Amino acid sequence: EAGVAQSPRYKIIEKRQSVAFWCNPISGHATLYWYQQILGQGPKLLIQFQNNGVVDDSQLPKDRFSAERLKGVDSTLKIQPAKLEDSAVYLCASSSAESRGRVEAFFGQGTRLTVV
Amino acid sequence: GQSLEQPSEVTAVEGAIVQINCTYQTSGFYGLSWYQQHDGGAPTFLSYNALDGLEETGRFSSFLSRSDSYGYLLLQELQMKDSASYFCAVRDQENTDKLIFGTGTRLQVFP
Repeated sequence: EAGVAQSPRYKIIEKRQSVAFWCNPISGHATLYWYQQILGQGPKLLIQFQNNGVVDDSQLPKDRFSAERLKGVDSTLKIQPAKLEDSAVYLCASSSAESRGRVEAFFGQGTRLTVV
Repeated sequence: GQSLEQPSEVTAVEGAIVQINCTYQTSGFYGLSWYQQHDGGAPTFLSYNALDGLEETGRFSSFLSRSDSYGYLLLQELQMKDSASYFCAVRDQENTDKLIFGTGTRLQVFP
């Protein structure tokens, strides 16, 4: 089966600019996550979708970050305006109901964002 | 607050056995997972423990003690390709798959 697809792989922007990341989860996976991974740290959950509804966005900086998952499939994460501290890898992951409990999340390769 | 502590780095030689520990302090606990991440790569699932004891999957085993809020990942017959970062992650809520990740342990395997 195809894995989680993300684009772009790399992005360099200046502070105060905006940027968007795209994610296509594994077909049939109802749950989609966006994680932020700062260099040298573990991934931190930003937002979790179940189909096209938000389950958890408690750690999403809503003044600058937004995410949507239209039609319960693809998702986009946007940052506007970007700050230097947003430099990180943004990972998208998905999981299926069958893995519920076992929590086997499948991750994409991520988008490495550098804000200068 | 929520925290998962791991050693920052572990080194070993090919063929050896290494244990990566994880101690956690979370508001809830519904399972401990382990993920492997090579440099520049995606985290990949290794194992999951919901109950106390040892789970074995090939060369990798994972252990959990809920009373001690502690778990470990055991890697046997180390190979060069095992050089990567390893993260423990806790599922802290019952009705969600949300994971809280640890700080990560960088494993370097030498020939």
